[in-house]
Amino acid sequence: RKEVEQDPGPFNVPEGATVAFNCTYSNSASQSFFWYRQDCRKEPKLLMSVYSSGNEDGRFTAQLNRASQYISLLIRDSKLSDSATYLCVVNEDGYNKLIFGAGTRLAVHP
Amino acid sequence: EPEVTQTPSHQVTQMGQEVILRCVPISNHLYFYWYRQILGQKVEFLVSFYNNEISEKSEIFDDQFSVERPDGSNFTLKIRSTKLEDSAMYFCASSRQTGGAGETQYFGPGTRLLVL
Repeated sequence: RKEVEQDPGPFNVPEGATVAFNCTYSNSASQSFFWYRQDCRKEPKLLMSVYSSGNEDGRFTAQLNRASQYISLLIRDSKLSDSATYLCVVNEDGYNKLIFGAGTRLAVHP
Repeated sequence: EPEVTQTPSHQVTQMGQEVILRCVPISNHLYFYWYRQILGQKVEFLVSFYNNEISEKSEIFDDQFSVERPDGSNFTLKIRSTKLEDSAMYFCASSRQTGGAGETQYFGPGTRLLVL
């Protein structure tokens, strides 16, 4: 079983749409969770950390369900500039390494 | 805003040659990492480094790989005898604390390595 699984997409949405991405992780001991964004041939950049109570940053909302080992990202009012690959990332407690999902590609069109 | 830098941005080498990839982490960070991403695949952890020693490494990080912090600012990844399958984007990252505390890792722009 893959450590972090994501739907690869692509999700093709019009500007202004709301889109949701899901992710599951296999290690129940995982403690830290993140969404990173990666533009084509660029480095991953932190979009937001994901907290147990859920958190919001502008148009972006992240949720964590530890019982189901499930993480989500909701993007409201999509912009053309949101087009990228969204990486679900998990860090296992006490270790340094980040475990990346393969990413979900989002394409926002006019 | 401080950022991680990496040189070179691109490196082409012949199979069997040694390459050294260089990184300058963010100055007040204490933990350093190398990841790689083969084209079309996910980002994979290679190694983490703290207090001048490796704290964790993956199964990818075999005897052909080594890391070093030769001075107070640089962090290097050496591949002793490159193979075709080493062709990938190599990302350096750094963080203030260990990721177990939810600490953010900041990534450099990467070095694209092509082994011919």
